[in-house]
Amino acid sequence: KAGVTQTPRYLIKTRGQQVTLSCSPISGHRSVSWYQQTPGQGLQFLFEYFSETQRNKGNFPGRFSGRQFSNSRSEMNVSTLELGDSALYLCASSRDHSYNEQFFGPGTRLTVL
Amino acid sequence: EDQVTQSPEALRLQEGESSSLNCSYTVSGLRGLFWYRQDPGKGPEFLFTLYSAGEEKEKERLKATLTKKESFLHITAPKPEDSATYLCAVLKTGANNLFFGTGTRLTVIP
Repeated sequence: KAGVTQTPRYLIKTRGQQVTLSCSPISGHRSVSWYQQTPGQGLQFLFEYFSETQRNKGNFPGRFSGRQFSNSRSEMNVSTLELGDSALYLCASSRDHSYNEQFFGPGTRLTVL
Repeated sequence: EDQVTQSPEALRLQEGESSSLNCSYTVSGLRGLFWYRQDPGKGPEFLFTLYSAGEEKEKERLKATLTKKESFLHITAPKPEDSATYLCAVLKTGANNLFFGTGTRLTVIP
């Protein structure tokens, strides 16, 4: 059974640019959540999608957005990148909203110069 | 204010030296508490979900327990391959997202 995949794995951007990250959940999983992980703040929730609808959003500025497609694949976009956006962005999928057995992908390491 | 606090921040153990990691939480109604293991450069790996005080779950050398205020992850006779950062997260009533602690970095020395 294939796990959660994320692309790209590594990304280097400059301030002001925008970036799109992709996540393919485990087959059959309809819930996709995105997290930002930094050494200082740990894992912070960005947003969750279920059946193409955003169910919840964390405390991040509007520059962070996402969407989910009918096949449950999800993308997140960050516009007008800032140095502080450098982080590991993790995607996780689960069958439903219970978060029981939520499986994470390997993450996308974003570096903003 | 809702909080999830993990202690200690870092722990070094000799191989075979059993110990416990702590996750204390203050949330208004707990729907679930989750333990994950994260290796460097990888995403967190799901370990356990606990739903109510008194519940226990076991997997190999790991055992997770839950009280009304905290959870413990007991590691029995650890091996070097148990070295990782262990994260706990809570899902509270009325919320739709996990709130993570900052983790305990465990190092097991051969």
